[in-house]
Amino acid sequence: GAVVSQHPSRVICKSGTSVKIECRSLDFQATTMFWYRQFPKKSLMLMATSNEGSKATYEQGVEKDKFLINHASLTLSTLTVTSAHPEDSSFYICSARLRFGYEQYFGPGTRLTVT
Amino acid sequence: DQQVKQNSPSLSVQEGRISILNCDYTNSMFDYFLWYKKYPAEGPTFLISISSIKDKNEDGRFTVFLNKSAKHLSLHIVPSQPGDSAVYFCAASPGGGAQKLVFGQGTRLTINP
Repeated sequence: GAVVSQHPSRVICKSGTSVKIECRSLDFQATTMFWYRQFPKKSLMLMATSNEGSKATYEQGVEKDKFLINHASLTLSTLTVTSAHPEDSSFYICSARLRFGYEQYFGPGTRLTVT
Repeated sequence: DQQVKQNSPSLSVQEGRISILNCDYTNSMFDYFLWYKKYPAEGPTFLISISSIKDKNEDGRFTVFLNKSAKHLSLHIVPSQPGDSAVYFCAASPGGGAQKLVFGQGTRLTINP
């Protein structure tokens, strides 16, 4: 149980375009989902916390207009990287949390490359 | 301000021996701690957790110890197996209803045959 999927697993886009990444909880309802970014050989950097039906809470230094997060249902959250630039190239990982409990269950990640 | 610290970026252990991964934290309000395992280009996998009201939790080959007075926790893996080679992250929950986790920098564990 507690399986989280992400799509796509890998995406290459041109500078200036927008990219959408989907995060789905497959076998449970996730009232809260999280979006992380991981730089090479670095820890997971929390970008934002997404609650179903409400606006996401962004961490300090994360541009909310650049990284649009939508959590429209209890099983789906999306991250849209708008007007992508090469410095946005990274590994993006989502996670989902059950209504009760501390554990977060992570998706497999999405490798974004902006050329 | 790094509230959760894993001071060893890497650790090498022989197969069959015990692996001990350490984690220190600074925030005494943390009330729940978790360990995750991560392979390259994959998302982290939850391993084991411990509440701040306990000092030990065991699950098969994995045991987590918590020393609240020292603000220190450790993950013991015994016996270590080649498949345990991965990056291990410790994480802490700030408590007080906060939903997010605070992660350490990770320790790369290599199990040598």
